[in-house]
Amino acid sequence: AQKITQTQPGMFVQEKEAVTLDCTYDTSDPSYGLFWYKQPSSGEMIFLIYQGSYDQQNATEGRYSLNFQKARKSANLVISASQLGDSAMYFCAMRESVAAGNKLTFGGGTRVLVKP
Amino acid sequence: NAGVTQTPKFRVLKTGQSMTLLCAQDMNHEYMYWYRQDPGMGLRLIHYSVGEGTTAKGEVPDGYNVSRLKKQNFLLGLESAAPSQTSVYFCASSIPGNTYNEQFFGPGTRLTVL
Repeated sequence: AQKITQTQPGMFVQEKEAVTLDCTYDTSDPSYGLFWYKQPSSGEMIFLIYQGSYDQQNATEGRYSLNFQKARKSANLVISASQLGDSAMYFCAMRESVAAGNKLTFGGGTRVLVKP
Repeated sequence: NAGVTQTPKFRVLKTGQSMTLLCAQDMNHEYMYWYRQDPGMGLRLIHYSVGEGTTAKGEVPDGYNVSRLKKQNFLLGLESAAPSQTSVYFCASSIPGNTYNEQFFGPGTRLTVL
């Protein structure tokens, strides 16, 4: 069974500073994908960034980057130059193979509060 | 395109009542999912469907039933609601073979069972 662990329940970060959100995972499937989602107080799930298990390069999307360490089974999200609008819950999720239904398993989330 | 829509947005039920949540997507996606999110937690998969007429159980299926009679719709039913089913319910859809095989989420339905 797949498992995702986010060990940081909450974090404070100063505006304009960088923050790293931890995510470790466990799976026996060689083909998987890792996602980060942002959930603001309004409740919607916003896709941020994706890393495939076979991708050689770490994924980047604007101010978001994913520090993928496959041997350690970690996929940490780095948000650079934090903004007040980054205050939200952040979820790491792992996708199973298409043959297994393309299902997502979520971590428990990390709440980020950006201070001005 | 409206993407993934959910009806209703909010609902309050009494213990023992039944209801159906409707999820609709206009992206011609094959796969659809129902998740629940309890306060302070991540999403957990209830049921999913990999095509019209097919459904399968996820991590927390007890107390729920689903149907996928049309490709664009995925219904989640609660036959006899319990307070433990108070949660936010998210529907999602995906199509195998797109860039990330990512799931597209609806806005959620907040359900309270008294």
